[in-house]
Amino acid sequence: KQEVTQIPAALSVPEGENLVLNCSFTDSAIYNLQWFRQDPGKGLTSLLLIQSSQREQTSGRLNASLDKSSGRSTLYIAASQPGDSATYLCAVNTVGGGADGLTFGKGTHLIIQP
Amino acid sequence: ETGVTQTPRHLVMGMTNKKSLKCEQHLGHNAMYWYKQSAKKPLELMFVYNFKEQTENNSVPSRFSPECPNSSHLFLHLHTLQPEDSALYLCASSQLTSGGGTGELFFGEGSRLTVL
Repeated sequence: KQEVTQIPAALSVPEGENLVLNCSFTDSAIYNLQWFRQDPGKGLTSLLLIQSSQREQTSGRLNASLDKSSGRSTLYIAASQPGDSATYLCAVNTVGGGADGLTFGKGTHLIIQP
Repeated sequence: ETGVTQTPRHLVMGMTNKKSLKCEQHLGHNAMYWYKQSAKKPLELMFVYNFKEQTENNSVPSRFSPECPNSSHLFLHLHTLQPEDSALYLCASSQLTSGGGTGELFFGEGSRLTVL
């Protein structure tokens, strides 16, 4: 059974810093991995989707990497801003799981101090 | 209108009430999902519909009853709920791929349910 772990559970940094959020998974047979952000009381917003054949994806100040063999993904946020404060979740789509083969981590709660 | 829309955004109900949550996706996807999000717990998958056919029911109590009349609409009917069912209920959609996985998942804003 796929298990997804996100470290750290919470992170607070001053504005302007570059930071890295981590996601690890136990079963490397995956289709893809997706990063989301969630603001309090809201739904999840898709940030980046990395296919299993890809090493990284970039969108603006965000860069996500994938090392499938070691079961790891990182989300790099450059020049952090207070508006980046949110909970960040990763979800892994495991081979053989079909439409229900998505496993979510518990998320990293990020606070960017002005 | 684009994306995934959920109504109502907030719902308060007594344990004997019957209510429904509605979800509509305008993305042309072939799979729709209901997730439950409780405080300090990971997202819990409740139901999955693939081309209107339910493919997953993760041991969800029968007081939750899903309905998918077509590939764009999904309902969650609620009946005789318990206070512990209070949570954020999230709808999502995606396009299933020919290889067996799913593409990018898009979520609605959620329905905040409070059961008194």
